[in-house]
Amino acid sequence: QKEVEQNSGPLSVPEGAIASLNCTYSDRGSQSFFWYRQYSGKSPELIMSIYSNGDKEDGRFTAQLNKASQYVSLLIRDSQPSDSATYLCAVGRGYSTLTFGKGTMLLVSP
Amino acid sequence: SQTIHQWPATLVQPVGSPLSLECTVEGTSNPNLYWYRQAAGRGLQLLFYSVGIGQISSEVPQNLSASRPQDRQFILSSKKLLLSDSGFYLCAWSVVAGAPHTGELFFGEGSRLTVL
Repeated sequence: QKEVEQNSGPLSVPEGAIASLNCTYSDRGSQSFFWYRQYSGKSPELIMSIYSNGDKEDGRFTAQLNKASQYVSLLIRDSQPSDSATYLCAVGRGYSTLTFGKGTMLLVSP
Repeated sequence: SQTIHQWPATLVQPVGSPLSLECTVEGTSNPNLYWYRQAAGRGLQLLFYSVGIGQISSEVPQNLSASRPQDRQFILSSKKLLLSDSGFYLCAWSVVAGAPHTGELFFGEGSRLTVL
């Protein structure tokens, strides 16, 4: 059974710090990796996708993928209180549907 | 640009009553469509997905059903709701690019169902 593991948190960081969110997955054949942000009471919003090993940067967000270690992370630089949300990691492979982690709650304090 | 709409946004239903949630996608054709449920404090549970009109795959056996009568319309139904059906229901779509399920998934606003 495919699994995606995330620390439930909350991860607390002060405003302006770097928040590091981590995700491990069990299916070595996974091909696609996504990070979603979900504010309380709202639907998930896609913020990053990554398909190959290495780093992918988009503004304050950097996704890092290491397929050998089956590990994907999301770094948020210059964290803002508006970044406070639950971050969901999702992993996909071929003809299987995405597997979501249960999410990590991030709290950014002013 | 592509948009996805779900309705109703919230509903409160008695146990044993029927349910119909509707989802439509605009600005794309032949999308993959998905219904997820998120119960309080729990992760996203995939309920159904569809890769084309009339094609429905069920991930979890339960008293819910799904239909796709048109290319960009996806409906979630139940004949008799249970207390355990309460939750946040999310419709999502993705573009079929290569392997069907490796594309980015985009969610609608969600429908919050409370069964009393």
